[in-house]
Amino acid sequence: RKEVEQDPGPFNVPEGATVAFNCTYSNSASQSFFWYRQDCRKEPKLLMSVYSSGNEDGRFTAQLNRASQYISLLIRDSKLSDSATYLCAVNIAGYALNFGKGTSLLVTP
Amino acid sequence: DTAVSQTPKYLVTQMGNDKSIKCEQNLGHDTMYWYKQDSKKFLKIMFSYNNKELIINETVPNRFSPKSPDKAHLNLHINSLELGDSAVYFCASSQSTGSLSGNTIYFGEGSWLTVV
Repeated sequence: RKEVEQDPGPFNVPEGATVAFNCTYSNSASQSFFWYRQDCRKEPKLLMSVYSSGNEDGRFTAQLNRASQYISLLIRDSKLSDSATYLCAVNIAGYALNFGKGTSLLVTP
Repeated sequence: DTAVSQTPKYLVTQMGNDKSIKCEQNLGHDTMYWYKQDSKKFLKIMFSYNNKELIINETVPNRFSPKSPDKAHLNLHINSLELGDSAVYFCASSQSTGSLSGNTIYFGEGSWLTVV
């Protein structure tokens, strides 16, 4: 079983739509959680950390469910510029981030 | 100024050659990493150094040898390159690995290695 799993997609949504991605992790000792965004042929960039109580940054909302060991990312009012691959990352203190394979999002006009 | 910089950005080389990728970070971070992203886009940790000391060495062929002359630099040397080594290699850094708040990783732009 892979440590961090994501639905690879692609998710094709029209502009203005709301889209949600889920990510599951296998190690219950995981302590910190992140969503990264990766554009084609670019490096991953931090989109947002995920806190236990859930957190929001503009159109983006991240949730953590420790009991079920998954995190989610909700994007409201999708923009064309949101088209990218979204990587879930999970960490245990003292180790490097483990990444999922990413979920591809394409927002269409 | 680029926070995490790596060179070269593109590298095309023949099988059997030896090549190096250099990485430098100016963020004052204690921990640096090498990640490999293969053709299926899976981003996988290879090595991690904290204050010049190796702390993570995943299952990587010993043809890959990292070197950290100081905590701002982490270079990757690859011997006897094989076709399967073709990938994008990302250098990254974080403040630390021991604290939750220090775990955010910042990536360099990547080095596209093609072995022919």
